[in-house]
Amino acid sequence: GAVVSQHPSRVICKSGTSVKIECRSLDFQATTMFWYRQFPKQSLMLMATSNEGSKATYEQGVEKDKFLINHASLTLSTLTVTSAHPEDSSFYICSAEGAGGSRNTIYFGEGSWLTVV
Amino acid sequence: DAKTTQPPSMDCAEGRAANLPCNHSTISGNEYVYWYRQIHSQGPQYIIHGLKNNETNEMASLIITEDRKSSTLILPHATLRDTAVYYCIVSGYALNFGKGTSLLVTP
Repeated sequence: GAVVSQHPSRVICKSGTSVKIECRSLDFQATTMFWYRQFPKQSLMLMATSNEGSKATYEQGVEKDKFLINHASLTLSTLTVTSAHPEDSSFYICSAEGAGGSRNTIYFGEGSWLTVV
Repeated sequence: DAKTTQPPSMDCAEGRAANLPCNHSTISGNEYVYWYRQIHSQGPQYIIHGLKNNETNEMASLIITEDRKSSTLILPHATLRDTAVYYCIVSGYALNFGKGTSLLVTP
């Protein structure tokens, strides 16, 4: 299947700093990318949907000023966690849907573990 | 998106077929049925999806009832590496995950 890559796979940052996570579609153009967060022993929670060249749409309860999403190209979306706090520690996962007319398969990245200390 | 109901856990003996059920009685006409699985600490892996017709690929088969209110994912010959949480998702756009079924394949 198509490949979606995330970087970094693990990151530790100090409380109050910002950290950026990249999501790349390696072998297809992704018009839409999705960002999720997953806490231990819980399911994935959709945070936001981003379309290339436009502002992201955030799910209810997700602070758009804290979780900055940029989808500047058809192969790259970034999630920046600003002023990180220990409660932001989580597994962040992106997914990407390819360009095309009919409903395309959505592929997921490997995930990025964020630990805020 | 329509809500799905899956059993929280299932066991299957290695080499046997694993049949994972999913109810989605409120599915609407343009919503697809997707199946993903997640092995601990990894991103979800795409398995299969369908709209109305049964689908088969190298990983699994998807059987959708004629009224589309339920479906079954079939792993024909389960292996230990198939132990994972399996998510059935009904969606017209973004994928919203429920709690899934934790499948344990035993030797």
